[in-house]
Amino acid sequence: AQSVTQLGSHVSVSEGALVLLRCNYSSSVPPYLFWYVQYPNQGLQLLLKYTSAATLVKGINGFEAEFKKSETSFHLTKPSAHMSDAAEYFCAVSALSGANNLFFGTGTRLTVIP
Amino acid sequence: EPEVTQTPSHQVTQMGQEVILRCVPISNHLYFYWYRQILGQKVEFLVSFYNNEISEKSEIFDDQFSVERPDGSNFTLKIRSTKLEDSAMYFCASRGVGEATEAFFGQGTRLTVV
Repeated sequence: AQSVTQLGSHVSVSEGALVLLRCNYSSSVPPYLFWYVQYPNQGLQLLLKYTSAATLVKGINGFEAEFKKSETSFHLTKPSAHMSDAAEYFCAVSALSGANNLFFGTGTRLTVIP
Repeated sequence: EPEVTQTPSHQVTQMGQEVILRCVPISNHLYFYWYRQILGQKVEFLVSFYNNEISEKSEIFDDQFSVERPDGSNFTLKIRSTKLEDSAMYFCASRGVGEATEAFFGQGTRLTVV
């Protein structure tokens, strides 16, 4: 079974500050890991994905995430927050089994303070 | 750029009525999914569909729910007799072939049961 845990339902950062959104996963098989972003009243947009290649994954809008097997983590970071980064961020896991369903975390709402 | 399209964007229905939520997945995709997001909560997996049949479903997806791919382009979710607790945002997603491909999500249908 696969699952993810996102620590912190709300994170606030100042504009220009580091963004760190935490995600830990649980999987009985090597996982594929994803970060999706949801802007208000919109659907889910893929930020980046880890699929067992490089452990440091770069995504859109300056975000990146590092897969750490020893820590079962896949934290999302961005060096400098921008006002447009304010959104809900979801970590998700799937495995190479069946239909590769995605299982989402509870989400972290990022607020950027000017 | 190809996208997943969902209609309607907002549906209001009376408790006990049947609703059909419609989705047009990306044309060359083979895996189709429905997820729901109750207001303020995480995105939950409902069902996955491949090769004209359900491949996996969650415990949420009970006998009140059904999915269908009536033609080569549409993918529908039917709720037979809606309950107040069915009020949520429903997301359709599709995925292409390949174990590492990501799912693309539609903008969602907000279902309000009154």
